[in-house]
Amino acid sequence: KAGVTQTPRYLIKTRGQQVTLSCSPISGHRSVSWYQQTPGQGLQFLFEYFSETQRNKGNFPGRFSGRQFSNSRSEMNVSTLELGDSALYLCASSGTGWGDTEAFFGQGTRLTVV
Amino acid sequence: DAKTTQPNSMESNEEEPVHLPCNHSTISGTDYIHWYRQLPSQGPEYVIHGLTSNVNNRMASLAIAEDRKSSTLILHRATLRDAAVYYCILRAHMSGGSNYKLTFGKGTLLTVNP
Repeated sequence: KAGVTQTPRYLIKTRGQQVTLSCSPISGHRSVSWYQQTPGQGLQFLFEYFSETQRNKGNFPGRFSGRQFSNSRSEMNVSTLELGDSALYLCASSGTGWGDTEAFFGQGTRLTVV
Repeated sequence: DAKTTQPNSMESNEEEPVHLPCNHSTISGTDYIHWYRQLPSQGPEYVIHGLTSNVNNRMASLAIAEDRKSSTLILHRATLRDAAVYYCILRAHMSGGSNYKLTFGKGTLLTVNP
């Protein structure tokens, strides 16, 4: 069974640009959630999508957005990048939603904003 | 708001038991306690979760205090492959269907000595 795939693995962007990250969940999983990990703030929850609808949202500005497609693949977009957006972005998939079953994480996308 | 507190680091010897504590004194009655671990250059992986009763699985045991204000992840026989950052996470159910809030601890870096 293939795991959660995140692309790209590494990305360098310039301040002010926008970026789109992709996450392909485990086959059959309908929930995809996104996280930001930084040395200073640790792991923080961004949002969760379930069956193409955003179901939960963390405390991040509107520059961070996402969507989920009918095949459950999800994308996360960050607009007007700031230096502080440099982080490891992780996605996780689960069958019915976080907490009810275990979540499977991808290896993450390392975003560097210069 | 719920909060989780974990020691920054702990050390253990191979083949010995390890007790990783987590304080969550502001936990609410319906908050689940989850543990995930993150190996270097990997996304987090599920370890165990529980609500009120102690839980066991093939990886570990979770001991939850009677007042639920703290919990302990127990690795019965540490191996070198258990060296990782262990995260204690609270999943709080919010009103309105499947809404929830996640609170991440800062994580405990476990070092296992051969």
